[in-house]
Amino acid sequence: AQSVAQPEDQVNVAEGNPLTVKCTYSVSGNPYLFWYVQYPNRGLQFLLKYITGDNLVKGSYGFEAEFNKSQTSFHLKKPSALVSDSALYFCAVRDPNTGGFKTIFGAGTRLFVKA
Amino acid sequence: DTEVTQTPKHLVMGMTNKKSLKCEQHMGHRAMYWYKQKAKKPPELMFVYSYEKLSINESVPSRFSPECPNSSLLNLHLHALQPEDSALYLCASSPRGGLDTGELFFGEGSRLTVL
Repeated sequence: AQSVAQPEDQVNVAEGNPLTVKCTYSVSGNPYLFWYVQYPNRGLQFLLKYITGDNLVKGSYGFEAEFNKSQTSFHLKKPSALVSDSALYFCAVRDPNTGGFKTIFGAGTRLFVKA
Repeated sequence: DTEVTQTPKHLVMGMTNKKSLKCEQHMGHRAMYWYKQKAKKPPELMFVYSYEKLSINESVPSRFSPECPNSSLLNLHLHALQPEDSALYLCASSPRGGLDTGELFFGEGSRLTVL
């Protein structure tokens, strides 16, 4: 079965420091991996995706993620955190076995950036 | 126009009421989704429509009834709901109706409270 794991419920980082939000996946076949962000009482916003190609993917708001096939990981990173980055982050995978209709979300990681 | 619009933003209903949630997109997307999200949890897939046909029903209780009148509109009809159905209901769309590797575009959600 396809699954996504986000091992940290919360990540705390000081403003200006680099941040990492971890994600590992278990998918049969080629994974289609995504990161979404959710601010309080809002819908999810797409940040970036990995479909194929370069393992380092750059996305919105200065975020990037590295696809590591051997470690089955897709960690989200940003070189310098902002207070406004504080939000709930979801890693997700599109399940190719459902024709891509199903997107499986991780449990979410709350990022708290302290000024 | 890259928006998914959901109405109403907030809805309070009794257990005997009948109400509907509406979702609209004008991006020409051919797949539309309903998700349910409880507080601090990931979104859970409820229904998927592809080319206006119901493609996935995740064993959702019949008190939730989806409808896709055309490629731009998605409704969720609610009847005889339970208090545990209180949640944020998210609509999403994606460009293709199958074998889609693209990201989901989410609306802001409809916050439902069942009394």
